[in-house]
Amino acid sequence: RKEVEQDPGPFNVPEGATVAFNCTYSNSASQSFFWYRQDCRKEPKLLMSVYSSGNEDGRFTAQLNRASQYISLLIRDSKLSDSATYLCVVLYGGATNKLIFGTGTLLAVQP
Amino acid sequence: GAVVSQHPSWVICKSGTSVKIECRSLDFQATTMFWYRQFPKQSLMLMATSNEGSKATYEQGVEKDKFLINHASLTLSTLTVTSAHPEDSSFYICSARKGASYNEQFFGPGTRLTVL
Repeated sequence: RKEVEQDPGPFNVPEGATVAFNCTYSNSASQSFFWYRQDCRKEPKLLMSVYSSGNEDGRFTAQLNRASQYISLLIRDSKLSDSATYLCVVLYGGATNKLIFGTGTLLAVQP
Repeated sequence: GAVVSQHPSWVICKSGTSVKIECRSLDFQATTMFWYRQFPKQSLMLMATSNEGSKATYEQGVEKDKFLINHASLTLSTLTVTSAHPEDSSFYICSARKGASYNEQFFGPGTRLTVL
C-alpha cells in the first residue's frame, strides 16, 4: 500500500465547475498535511496547509479527517489556470521528519 | 519571497559521466536542504537530507557513493550523480527550508537529467 494515495485522474471539468480531490495516508502518526500544486515539468509549489478544523483560502477548501486518515481539497469556480497536478503531501514527524508526496491528481479545466 | 535556484535546468550526458547539480537559496539562508527525484507519472521521492557543514542523511535504497551531496554553505548544496546510467535519467528537485516549519520549504525549479 502506498504511503499517500491519490486518484491520478485526469479530472476534466468545465470552467466554473466545482471539483474535489481525495487523498488517504497510511501512517497514523503523520503530523502535518499539505496540498501542493505542480505544473507540467515544473517544481511543486505549496497551495495550502491542511488543518484539523478545515481551512479555506479563496476558492480552495481543505479538510482533514484524522480518524479516517483522509484529506480532501475542494476547488470552487474552476479557472483555466487551475489546470495542474495537485499533490497531497504528508509530514512524518519524529525521527523520520520528512515529507511524503502522493503521485498527484491531474486537473484539466476546459473552456 | 523565498527563491531557490537550480543549475543546470537540464542536462544530457553520456553513460558513465558524472553530473553536478547546484541548488542555491538566493535570498535566505538554509540550514537544511533536501534532494528529491521524480520519475514520470510518479511522486517526488526524497533522496537525502542535507545539513550545512555535516554529512547528508540518505533515504533507504539511495546509494550515497553514487549520489554525492555537499552542503558547504548556508546557501548552496550540490548533488553529483557519479557514473550516470540511463536509469538515473529523472527530474531532480532540491528544496531549501527557510525556518523550522515545513511550510517554509521552497523548491527549486528542478533539473532534468537525461543519460544516453
